[in-house]
Amino acid sequence: EVQLLESGGALVQPGGSLTLSCVVSGATFIRYAMSWVRQAPGKGLEWVSGINGSGDDPKYGDAVKGRFTISRDNSKNTVYLVMNNVRAEDTATYYCAKMKSTVPTATYFEHWGQGTLVSVSS
Amino acid sequence: QSVLTQPPSVSGSPGQRVSISCSGTSSNIGINNVYWYQQFPGAAPRLLIYRNDHRPSGVPDRYSGSKSGTSASLAISGLRSEDEADYYCEAWDDSLNAYVFGPGTTVIVL
Repeated sequence: EVQLLESGGALVQPGGSLTLSCVVSGATFIRYAMSWVRQAPGKGLEWVSGINGSGDDPKYGDAVKGRFTISRDNSKNTVYLVMNNVRAEDTATYYCAKMKSTVPTATYFEHWGQGTLVSVSS
Repeated sequence: QSVLTQPPSVSGSPGQRVSISCSGTSSNIGINNVYWYQQFPGAAPRLLIYRNDHRPSGVPDRYSGSKSGTSASLAISGLRSEDEADYYCEAWDDSLNAYVFGPGTTVIVL
């Protein structure tokens, strides 16, 4: 059974930084691209970022480009999201998702974690 | 403003069939596959339909998907109270180079 466990969500001040982590078990991690998808309170889903299996081809949504960085450590079955210069509109539950393909584009979100809450407020 | 369009809610009585539409454009649904996700309150989304009309193992055959041109739809037949949830459509957008989601549709069982 594939399991994803996110951590790192917290209350952070505007302009601050935060790092989210997601550990994956039950799958050959390097074979799959990974993504982060967020959901603001009471709102819909928004793709944030994705990374390929080898970790050398990150992709970003326009809302976070230049502020967030995705990376992965295949030796630890872990994907990270470093969030810099956070804004109030970044407040959301952040879900880690294992994708169906090795590449993070034009595929889909096959398995999801339970999410971790990020709140941006002074 | 979502790139894909869905109705805010649909409702039906137990046993009935309901359908959720998802409208897109030539840069997303028109040329790429559509996926559907189900989300219960307070829970993570889960994959419901992949590649337009395929069900992952464990998803009841009461759920079915279809796609035509720049639109797609999700149908739920034999509606049950446990089908009450939010449903999101999703596709890759070649112009935006991003995944786009619909705003979500709440299914209400009367």
